[in-house]
Amino acid sequence: EVQLVQSGAEVKKPGESLKISCKGSGYSFTSQWIAWVRQMPGKGLEWMGIIYPGDSDTRYRPSFQGQVTISADKSSSTAYLQWSSLKASDTAMYYCARSGSYRYFDYWGQGTLVTVSS
Amino acid sequence: QSALTQPASVSGSPGQSITISCTGTSSDVGGYNYVSWYQQHPGKAPKLMIYDVNNRPSGVSNRFSGSKSGKTASLTISGLQAEDEADYYCSSYTSSGTLPFGTGTKVTVL
Repeated sequence: EVQLVQSGAEVKKPGESLKISCKGSGYSFTSQWIAWVRQMPGKGLEWMGIIYPGDSDTRYRPSFQGQVTISADKSSSTAYLQWSSLKASDTAMYYCARSGSYRYFDYWGQGTLVTVSS
Repeated sequence: QSALTQPASVSGSPGQSITISCTGTSSDVGGYNYVSWYQQHPGKAPKLMIYDVNNRPSGVSNRFSGSKSGKTASLTISGLQAEDEADYYCSSYTSSGTLPFGTGTKVTVL
């Protein structure tokens, strides 16, 4: 069974760093793209970027380039999304999703709620 | 980079059919047969309902169907049921190699 299990909710202060995770199982982690999707409170889905764990090829939506870093560890079948300096506007639910052939998102993680508040 | 355009809300009575549109450009919806649709219930992760314009993943009801004409893709839900009340999002591959979502549509079952 394909599963994506994300790390737990986080509460951080502005300016702090954060790295959240998404562990894949039940399939070949290195041969499927993993995307990150943001959903701000009461808002729609936003595609942030995508990584191919096999060779770490990473693409970003222009508005997220330089704001976050997407990475993956093949040895632990885990993808990551990290911030070096959080802002209040980063408060959102973040989902990871497997992307079949870079065309659609067929399996989703349960989401990680990130709250940034002073 | 603009999101794909969807109506904010669509409603229908049980048993009726409804259609949600997703309008893009020749660089996304109009240029590729890589449109997908997602259902999201409150507090839950999205679920893939349609991929590659008109294909249903295993386990998705055949009451859900997809189509495309030019720069507009559509999701039709036939035989509307109470459990179909949710938010729906489209997504499309683009010529820039991105996978943006639509603005989202809230479906209400009257």
